[in-house]
Amino acid sequence: ETGVTQSPTHLIKTRGQQVTLRCSSQSGHNTVSWYQQALGQGPQFIFQYYREEENGRGNFPPRFSGLQFPNYSSELNVNALELDDSALYLCASSSPAGTSGGARTDTQYFGPGTRLTVL
Amino acid sequence: DAKTTQPNSMESNEEEPVHLPCNHSTISGTDYIHWYRQLPSQGPEYVIHGLTSNVNNRMASLAIAEDRKSSTLILHRATLRDAAVYYCILSPQGSARQLTFGSGTQLTVLP
Repeated sequence: ETGVTQSPTHLIKTRGQQVTLRCSSQSGHNTVSWYQQALGQGPQFIFQYYREEENGRGNFPPRFSGLQFPNYSSELNVNALELDDSALYLCASSSPAGTSGGARTDTQYFGPGTRLTVL
Repeated sequence: DAKTTQPNSMESNEEEPVHLPCNHSTISGTDYIHWYRQLPSQGPEYVIHGLTSNVNNRMASLAIAEDRKSSTLILHRATLRDAAVYYCILSPQGSARQLTFGSGTQLTVLP
């Protein structure tokens, strides 16, 4: 079973630039959620994708956008970067209850994150 | 979303049991109680979850109060590797739609 992977590991951008972060979900999972974790705080939910459609969104502005592909991998795009966007960005994959043949389905499996620094 | 309250930090000695408390007085009848932990420089990791009954797995035990307004994560023998931030999270009907993390409890394990 392949776990959740994210790329890149670290990234440095300047204010106003755009960034794309990538996530490969765990094998068999069709749902991807993205979280932002500022230093010293718990992760904050950005949005979730299920079968290529956005399936819930947290309190983040529209310059945070995403995509999910037919293989269930996902991208997080952030436009017009601000200094406060500096954070660890976490991706988590899961399957809605009842869709994964008896496996534990109410659990999110997190990747190691991408550390974004905005200068 | 119903809110959880946890102590900011706790300490334990290695190889002793650890009881991590969580208060969730506004929990609804369909909220599952989830625990995740985050080791340094890693993403959060699922530990355990439950609804009403106490639960055990290879990592930990979850004791849920009869009125469900509080719960306790029990690590039976803490190791140095258990040093992490532990998050108690309520999730409606077991859905993995959105996890609302608080600030969690920083567990320090002393050798």
